[in-house]
Amino acid sequence: NAGVTQTPKFQVLKTGQSMTLQCAQDMNHNSMYWYRQDPGMGLRLIYYSASEGTTDKGEVPNGYNVSRLNKREFSLRLESAAPSQTSVYFCASQRQGGQPQHFGDGTRLSIL
Amino acid sequence: GNSVTQMEGPVTLSEEAFLTINCTYTATGYPSLFWYVQYPGEGLQLLLKATKADDKGSNKGFEATYRKETTSFHLEKGSVQVSDSAVYFCALSGNQGGKLIFGQGTELSVKP
Repeated sequence: NAGVTQTPKFQVLKTGQSMTLQCAQDMNHNSMYWYRQDPGMGLRLIYYSASEGTTDKGEVPNGYNVSRLNKREFSLRLESAAPSQTSVYFCASQRQGGQPQHFGDGTRLSIL
Repeated sequence: GNSVTQMEGPVTLSEEAFLTINCTYTATGYPSLFWYVQYPGEGLQLLLKATKADDKGSNKGFEATYRKETTSFHLEKGSVQVSDSAVYFCALSGNQGGKLIFGQGTELSVKP
């Protein structure tokens, strides 16, 4: 009963390096989301995918790209990491609008 | 646009004390409302939800009532335990598909 799985759990990058965060869900959910969590700011939506084959920008998309590879997988890419992208990143999935979202355990990313 | 405001933390209580965490929202239409809980080092877990006015969500001794007249969804528990120490997030899902808008989170610390 895995739910939402994120890899890696921890990562340290140097400024300018690139990286892809992986997310997979096994609940046959239609929608998937990427958030970042910073102290005192709650969760902010980076990108989302309402259904397989579609992606849309959220509140803070700059510096990120996403790929909805198939119904199960939704990856987040940092092309040129910056210290301001140091954060905890959460992936979530949802069966349909209005339903609760299910979250992974997060990726803790530090950029030096 | 839609927004959620939570009382600021941290909140520190003694075991068996009564808990209230205030949450108010701004939204058009009739949003669904949620409380999520985040334990240290983990992702967010759904605690309870309410989908229409006057609904009461409940789980694990926690309750919250959807009050449209005061645009509020306050979280309450009659007797907290040390194991309730966590960060609590209020969220709404409005007329923007399945996207969630989160409050900034309230950290609760329960002392024995």
